Amino acid sequence: QSALTQPASVSGSPGQSITISCTGTSSDVGAYNYVSWYQQHPGKAPKLMIYAVSDRPSGVSNRFSGSKSGNTASLTISGLQAEDEADYYCNSYTTSTSYVFGTGTKVTVL
Amino acid sequence: EVQVVESGGGLVQPGGSLRLSCAASGFSFSDHYMDWVRQAPGKGLEWVARTRNKARSYTTEYAASVKGRFTASRDDSKNSLHLQMNSLKSEDTAVYYCARDWQTAMDYWGQGTLVTVSS
Repeated sequence: QSALTQPASVSGSPGQSITISCTGTSSDVGAYNYVSWYQQHPGKAPKLMIYAVSDRPSGVSNRFSGSKSGNTASLTISGLQAEDEADYYCNSYTTSTSYVFGTGTKVTVL
Repeated sequence: EVQVVESGGGLVQPGGSLRLSCAASGFSFSDHYMDWVRQAPGKGLEWVARTRNKARSYTTEYAASVKGRFTASRDDSKNSLHLQMNSLKSEDTAVYYCARDWQTAMDYWGQGTLVTVSS
């Protein structure tokens, strides 16, 4: 199972919106609505930000939103804040009953 | 409060074995599937294994990179998860995370335990 494809880096100024793409195949992203997104600050454990494509766990800011079209999922961060600077990973359940993560995206707040 | 805490990491020679453990608390462990995820130094996340609950016969799925070498198991009586790693290779060097599986995502993660495979 190949890793899902994400841009290596995305940047934006405070207050702006950014979108991170996550491209897979019809065997993973396109197969189910089981795409999740994780935020990871340096030296810390990942944190679940979005599950089931677009749902937010309790406590996660509504500035984070998710969507999917075909084999590509997206995470949008609106009202970008300094604390959003981190690595972000997408994840999808697959038709092989396994999971696959994305390659990861470093978000920089300018 | 939900907590998962990994232990058992360390330095091991290539070809050696190591057993990781994950202690869970603050939730009904027996109801949940559990996952192992690893992260090599400076690299991205890689899913390793998923162990289902008793209702699903404790079946486990593995990533192709570890299948046949790693074995995940759980002890619901002790709220614990284990990962037996055999025939270790240098490319298995990573921080290993235990995570609770919820809604086909991983909602609670431990802080990880470092495994270093080197001679």
